[in-house]
Amino acid sequence: QVQLQQSGTELVKPASSVKISCKASGYTFTSNYMHWIRQQPGNGLEWIGWIYPGNGNTKYNQKFDGKATLTADKSSSTAYMQLSSLTSEDSAVYFCARRGTTGYYWYFDFWGPGTMVTVSS
Amino acid sequence: DIQMTQSPASLSASLEEIVTITCQASQDIGNYLSWYQQKLGKSPQLLIHSATSLADGVPSRFSGSRSGTQYSLKINRLQVEDTGIYYCLQHYSAPYTFGAGTKLELK
Repeated sequence: QVQLQQSGTELVKPASSVKISCKASGYTFTSNYMHWIRQQPGNGLEWIGWIYPGNGNTKYNQKFDGKATLTADKSSSTAYMQLSSLTSEDSAVYFCARRGTTGYYWYFDFWGPGTMVTVSS
Repeated sequence: DIQMTQSPASLSASLEEIVTITCQASQDIGNYLSWYQQKLGKSPQLLIHSATSLADGVPSRFSGSRSGTQYSLKINRLQVEDTGIYYCLQHYSAPYTFGAGTKLELK
């Protein structure tokens, strides 16, 4: 069965960076796009970007350009997101989500449990 | 960016009631629309994809429809386990955008 396992809660200082992980299992990691989504406290969902682990191609929401960097390690079936120059605005829960497809259409069919990042001095 | 205007923001309904949540897209997005349910402290779960297709394992009381650029999620015969926050998502063009969410509670 498909599972996405995310790394644990992070408490980080302003201006620092953090790298969170999303380990995939139960399917061929290189065959599906992996997306990342942010949820700030009490707020809705924002799409950050995607990575295609098969070739490392990425696409970002312009809002997160320079903030988020997506990478993937095929050998461990793990996707990563590094967030840099952290401010309190980056305090949020970050989800990875697998893209599933049916014909021409796609959707987020499996989600990780989320990683909470708190930025505080 | 494509805006998704979701309504209502919150909703209180009785058991067995019919509930409808809508999302209005700011432009044509075809059937590139999916619906998700999020329970407190959990990740969102897929309910409907391609605007009208029920995701695997989702109860048949959930259904999706489309009229032009307006999309609806309907829950027939509301159950206790249906409480939570519901989001629509357009994935027609990046940046992909979610509706603001509808908080569904039991009356």
